[in-house]
Amino acid sequence: DAGVIQSPRHEVTEMGQEVTLRCKPISGHDYLFWYRQTMMRGLELLIYFNNNVPIDDSGMPEDRFSAKMPNASFSTLKIQPSEPRDSAVYFCASSLLPTSGGYTGELFFGEGSRLTVL
Amino acid sequence: TQLLEQSPQFLSIQEGENLTVYCNSSSVFSSLQWYRQEPGEGPVLLVTVVTGGEVKKLKRLTFQFGDARKDSSLHITAAQPGDTGLYLCAGGFPGANNLFFGTGTRLTVIP
Repeated sequence: DAGVIQSPRHEVTEMGQEVTLRCKPISGHDYLFWYRQTMMRGLELLIYFNNNVPIDDSGMPEDRFSAKMPNASFSTLKIQPSEPRDSAVYFCASSLLPTSGGYTGELFFGEGSRLTVL
Repeated sequence: TQLLEQSPQFLSIQEGENLTVYCNSSSVFSSLQWYRQEPGEGPVLLVTVVTGGEVKKLKRLTFQFGDARKDSSLHITAAQPGDTGLYLCAGGFPGANNLFFGTGTRLTVIP
């Protein structure tokens, strides 16, 4: 079975432009997570979904960020307008089980989308 | 504020040497996972520990979970260049909604 698939792998854009990152989770995984990774702050959870419903979006930095999951096989993370401080690697991950609440679900990560905002 | 502290931040050793990296918290973990991330890829799970005092072995890697479930260590015996990567611990805390990741230990094994 294919792993988590993300696109694009690399994106270079100018400040103020809209950025859309895409993710296809592993089939059958009910949990989908968006993370952002920087050298300074490490891996930070932005938002996660359970059965296509957003459960916790407290990690979304501000209103410029939005995420959707219209169906079980597709999710997007949108930044509008983008700013230089948004430059980071954005990871999508999926899981069969919850990762909290007494569960120890394994996170399967995609290869990431490296975003550079000039 | 980092809930999980990992040390050392960077480690560079010669092939064949042994090493230990650490993950600590001031809070009790309900569970803890170790992931390894290679350049240009996403993290991959190595192990999950849930019981205080638990020790798990994965070939040359030995994982320990502290008795009080506030710390964990990863020991690598006879390191090889293929062990090079970023080692991340991820902790679940009682009542928390998700896993929290440490900033990682970046290991380089020199041939």
